[in-house]
Amino acid sequence: AQKITQTQPGMFVQEKEAVTLDCTYDTSDQSYGLFWYKQPSSGEMIFLIYQGSYDEQNATEGRYSLNFQKARKSANLVISASQLGDSAMYFCAMRDVMEYGNKLVFGAGTILRVKS
Amino acid sequence: DTAVSQTPKYLVTQMGNDKSIKCEQNLGHDTMYWYKQDSKKFLKIMFSYNNKELIINETVPNRFSPKSPDKAHLNLHINSLELGDSAVYFCASTGGTAYNSPLHFGNGTRLTVT
Repeated sequence: AQKITQTQPGMFVQEKEAVTLDCTYDTSDQSYGLFWYKQPSSGEMIFLIYQGSYDEQNATEGRYSLNFQKARKSANLVISASQLGDSAMYFCAMRDVMEYGNKLVFGAGTILRVKS
Repeated sequence: DTAVSQTPKYLVTQMGNDKSIKCEQNLGHDTMYWYKQDSKKFLKIMFSYNNKELIINETVPNRFSPKSPDKAHLNLHINSLELGDSAVYFCASTGGTAYNSPLHFGNGTRLTVT
């Protein structure tokens, strides 16, 4: 079964507007971490933000925030005040304590294009 | 002061050849990984080492053999390369086995098999 689902293959957003990238996950574990990574066209994987399963507050890192709804098993990334440099592929990922070795499992990604 | 470095960045080779990709991290991390990103950008784990010990070995053909001479290095050797091996290979490391430790990725090695 798919552990991480990103239902939006591609998204467009106008510069300076906010955008939400969706992510749902599936786990029976109580302890897990959710991560978002950015992959620009240059190819590197950039860690953006982390949310732990026990965290009561939504994580924020600058213009990035994570809308964590544990009961719905969703961890959506919100980018505020979009910039042209935000155009990239975004991956949601989960690290699950019960998984031996704590591998990071990725969703299929969402391509974000910021329009000027 | 690169944290996770991979060499080479690009690798073009013919079917049947053997090639290696090297990875080094200077973050003092104990755990390292190899991930494969296919043409559809999907990222899938291949191997993981913790302190030089293999802890994850996904269903990867035997032609792929990781080697970790020390905890700062994790190399990937590929024998008898096939067209389907063409992909971007990422090395990554993490400082802990706790679920709140992010993985830090290298810049990737784009392997093209012709």
